[in-house]
Amino acid sequence: GQSLEQPSEVTAVEGAIVQINCTYQTSGFYGLSWYQQHDGGAPTFLSYNALDGLEETGRFSSFLSRSDSYGYLLLQELQMKDSASYFCAVRDPGFAAGRRALTFGSGTRLQVQP
Amino acid sequence: GAVVSQHPSWVICKSGTSVKIECRSLDFQATTMFWYRQFPKQSLMLMATSNEGSKATYEQGVEKDKFLINHASLTLSTLTVTSAHPEDSSFYICSAREGLAGVLDTQYFGPGTRLTVL
Repeated sequence: GQSLEQPSEVTAVEGAIVQINCTYQTSGFYGLSWYQQHDGGAPTFLSYNALDGLEETGRFSSFLSRSDSYGYLLLQELQMKDSASYFCAVRDPGFAAGRRALTFGSGTRLQVQP
Repeated sequence: GAVVSQHPSWVICKSGTSVKIECRSLDFQATTMFWYRQFPKQSLMLMATSNEGSKATYEQGVEKDKFLINHASLTLSTLTVTSAHPEDSSFYICSAREGLAGVLDTQYFGPGTRLTVL
């Protein structure tokens, strides 16, 4: 089976930097993804790490350490609109069955305060 | 980027009725579509994997006779919640995978359907 752990809530102020951690246990690993979800909305893709290291996309960066089964999402220059839930996710390993569903972490609710 | 639509975006129905939710890939062919369910303040949980032209694969604990999935074409999958009950009230989200099986294939999520069963 697969499981992911994330903090349930994080609070930060506008302009700050926040890091959301994710640890995972998987039977086979095919990369770690991050999604953002605003209340009432669908998840939107933020980033994907297949290899160790840091991936940067604008204000958002994501890091992966496969040896530690650990990754994090880094949000810089926080804005009010960044208040949302953030999910880490791993792909299911079912190549043969054509499965490539995602298993999501429980989500981290980020509240950005003025 | 690729677009996935869902219809309806929200639905309210009486207990015992059936509700059909459509998921369409608008500008690509989706060989595989996934149906997720999300209860308030919880994570997305996979319900089933839908492959075009074949039977859906359901996750453990998901009743296939209650949640009927049809993937009749490469751009459309439907989820029918039969004899809906209040405990089926949830946010149902589909996603579609573009292209052939591979490690770096991309999934695109629909906007979700909010189902409320009275």
